[in-house]
Amino acid sequence: QKEVEQNSGPLSVPEGAIASLNCTYSDRVSQSFFWYRQYSGKSPELIMSIYSNGDKEDGRFTAQLNKASQYVSLLIRDSQPSDSATYLCAVNLRGGAGSYQLTFGKGTKLSVIP
Amino acid sequence: NAGVTQTPKFQVLKTGQSMTLQCAQDMNHNSMYWYRQDPGMGLRLIYYSASEGTTDKGEVPNGYNVSRLNKREFSLRLESAAPSQTSVYFCASWDRHSYNSPLHFGNGTRLTVT
Repeated sequence: QKEVEQNSGPLSVPEGAIASLNCTYSDRVSQSFFWYRQYSGKSPELIMSIYSNGDKEDGRFTAQLNKASQYVSLLIRDSQPSDSATYLCAVNLRGGAGSYQLTFGKGTKLSVIP
Repeated sequence: NAGVTQTPKFQVLKTGQSMTLQCAQDMNHNSMYWYRQDPGMGLRLIYYSASEGTTDKGEVPNGYNVSRLNKREFSLRLESAAPSQTSVYFCASWDRHSYNSPLHFGNGTRLTVT
């Protein structure tokens, strides 16, 4: 079964530290990877997308992709209390008849302690 | 720029009542989705519509029906609500022909069935 796995957490980090969120996926041919942030009671919002092996940086956020290991991560530098949220990993997995379906992990709850 | 609009935002039903959740998108996306989200369960796909005129079951379709009314609108119907359907429901849309594009979410409908 095609899956996206994340540690559910909670992950607690002190303010100013680096938060590291990890995600593994089962489909070797996946090409598109996304990180969403979801605040309590709100809808998921896209914060990063990555398609190629290596690192992609956007402000305090860095997404890292290793297709050989089927692993994607999100680093948050200088973590702030406002970063406290659930982070969802999403991967485009192959479905039937050559179609693709965006599949979500269950999310990692991050808590940044002031 | 509205994006994905869901109505209503909140709803309380009694067991056995019916209702329809409405969703519309103005991004000219061909694919639309309905998810439910429960604590600790992540986002679970109920139904999706890959393109206008088609609908398919997702992970948890029982107790629901959908209608893709046109390219913009995708509704979710509960014919006989049950307490197990208490959840937060999210509609989302996606440009299927550009599978590197992310999923765009509505603001959610919080449904309580008593």
